[in-house]
Amino acid sequence: GQNIDQPTEMTATEGAIVQINCTYQTSGFNGLFWYQQHAGEAPTFLSYNVLDGLEEKGRFSSFLSRSKGYSYLLLKELQMKDSASYLCAVVGGATNKLIFGTGTLLAVQP
Amino acid sequence: GAGVSQSPRYKVAKRGQDVALRCDPISGHVSLFWYQQALGQGPEFLTYFQNEAQLDKSGLPSDRFFAERPEGSVSTLKIQRTQQEDSAVYLCASSFGQAEYEQYFGPGTRLTVT
Repeated sequence: GQNIDQPTEMTATEGAIVQINCTYQTSGFNGLFWYQQHAGEAPTFLSYNVLDGLEEKGRFSSFLSRSKGYSYLLLKELQMKDSASYLCAVVGGATNKLIFGTGTLLAVQP
Repeated sequence: GAGVSQSPRYKVAKRGQDVALRCDPISGHVSLFWYQQALGQGPEFLTYFQNEAQLDKSGLPSDRFFAERPEGSVSTLKIQRTQQEDSAVYLCASSFGQAEYEQYFGPGTRLTVT
């Protein structure tokens, strides 16, 4: 079966660092995406990992361990505008559809 | 246009009505996906097109759901005899090719069935 787990909600303070974890069990794997979604808006691309290790892009970093079926998204120097839902998605299947977790709703407080 | 567009942005339908949701992908994008997103949940895959061919419709929840992409560009998702459980945001995404995994999402159509 297909299963992607991530925490439902997290709270963090402006200026701090937060790590959002994602574990997955899927029948196929062609990489893992992190998307950001503000309320009422489309998901927007943050990162893509297909090899093990850390990918850094500005304030955002993403890590993947394929052997453990585990990824995390690290957000540094949090800003109020980072309050959003963060979606973990695995590329799988013959048609490369995205299999999403339920999303983690991050609230950044002053 | 520069991105994926969808229309209408909002649709209210009475139970039993038919609805049609439109998606204009990014020009030149071969792959097109439809997803359904219930409130507080992640998007769930509905169907996939490569050009005009519907290669995967395994996520369509019932035979009331039908999608087409006759000329390999614009796609329409049709829901017949809508029911309250169909209320959700319907997202369309496109990507350049089958080996290009990044999908670009449209703003979605929020469907409310009363």
